[in-house]
Amino acid sequence: DVKVTQSSRYLVKRTGEKVFLECVQDMDHENMFWYRQDPGLGLRLIYFSYDVKMKEKGDIPEGYSVSREKKERFSLILESASTNQTSMYLCASSFFQRGSSYNEQFFGPGTRLTVL
Amino acid sequence: GDSVTQMEGPVTLSEEAFLTINCTYTATGYPSLFWYVQYPGEGLQLLLKATKADDKGSNKGFEATYRKETTSFHLEKGSVQVSDSAVYFCALKWGSGNTGKLIFGQGTTLQVKP
Repeated sequence: DVKVTQSSRYLVKRTGEKVFLECVQDMDHENMFWYRQDPGLGLRLIYFSYDVKMKEKGDIPEGYSVSREKKERFSLILESASTNQTSMYLCASSFFQRGSSYNEQFFGPGTRLTVL
Repeated sequence: GDSVTQMEGPVTLSEEAFLTINCTYTATGYPSLFWYVQYPGEGLQLLLKATKADDKGSNKGFEATYRKETTSFHLEKGSVQVSDSAVYFCALKWGSGNTGKLIFGQGTTLQVKP
């Protein structure tokens, strides 16, 4: 079974704190993604990575950064948390397969972050 | 830019009712289309997909047909069960290449009552 795990299911932080959200996958996937999920807005891509130490901005990267030092781990960092970053954060991973039009993304259970 | 629009929810049905969740898209070229499902307390799972016009994706009794002429990918099921209660997301694959970036609709919550 493919497994994507996220370090916390629920997290409460204060405004201005530095926040780390961790994601680990066990399927040797090259691609990893961070999304945030908000009611009425669906999922929006924050950052993604297609290789170790590689990263690309998604649709809403402002206020976030990422780190991928090892293939299986992709971290999302909120440098100075703000209340408008209260949301559900979902991590996903997929294979990078040359010549394929799409490889299924496998999602973690999500981290519900509240910033007070 | 590319976008996906789903019907607003929540959708509330009785068990064994017929389900339709509408999804339309705007995209350049010919995207691949997907339905993902999120059960309570879980991440998203791929439900079905279609990669070209007139393709029909199907899984677990759900179906969706890629209609290029109407730019639609509506999700249907003939007889829903309580266990189908979840949030359903329509999505398209954005851009070329293998990184598999997706654009999601806003999600439609389905509640099935016994």
